[in-house]
Amino acid sequence: EAQVTQNPRYLITVTGKKLTVTCSQNMNHEYMSWYRQDPGLGLRQIYYSMNVEVTDKGDVPEGYKVSRKEKRNFPLILESPSPNQTSLYFCASSLSYHRSSYEQYFGPGTRLTVT
Amino acid sequence: AQKVTQAQTEISVVEKEDVTLDCVYETRDTTYYLFWYKQPPSGELVFLIRRNSFDEQNEISGRYSWNFQKSTSSFNFTITASQVVDSAVYFCALSEAGDTGNQFYFGTGTSLTVIP
Repeated sequence: EAQVTQNPRYLITVTGKKLTVTCSQNMNHEYMSWYRQDPGLGLRQIYYSMNVEVTDKGDVPEGYKVSRKEKRNFPLILESPSPNQTSLYFCASSLSYHRSSYEQYFGPGTRLTVT
Repeated sequence: AQKVTQAQTEISVVEKEDVTLDCVYETRDTTYYLFWYKQPPSGELVFLIRRNSFDEQNEISGRYSWNFQKSTSSFNFTITASQVVDSAVYFCALSEAGDTGNQFYFGTGTSLTVIP
């Protein structure tokens, strides 16, 4: 079954404790992306990757890191989480390539709480 | 400035009514893509439609229809004869091609409640 998986689905952590949210897709998509969803703000793109080793900042990259060492995986790293990073995070993948955008397939979401 | 504006935060309609969700976008690119996604109460994001900037044909899919007007930078979504299962948050999105790739911008969403 074609899917995007994220782990963990729920995470409660404390300020400053480094964490990684994993994202994996089995559709051989070039394009992957991370979003955060906050009430009243919709989805905002954090980082995206057009291909292996090619990543770029979205609208709200501060406080986050990503890496794309393999095509199928795109982990989101919070080196020193803060309470304002409490949010619902979605990973997505797509057939999109440069200057052509296609539908994104979204993971189930990771609800992160930073206390 | 918001790249994608969904001015309607919440809409309530009675079942079988028609409803239109508005989306206005802003871009300087000549090549761009527009999307609609649905987020039901269960939380997943469901793709509904993709449109490129060169295709202004309106589209109909069952009870759903989309009206793309470049002259007004709008990409509105109409649900005909609404049903309770249509209750969800609907997001409009724009994709532009940046220097290194395609950036996506989502609106803030419109929460639709269909009352039985």
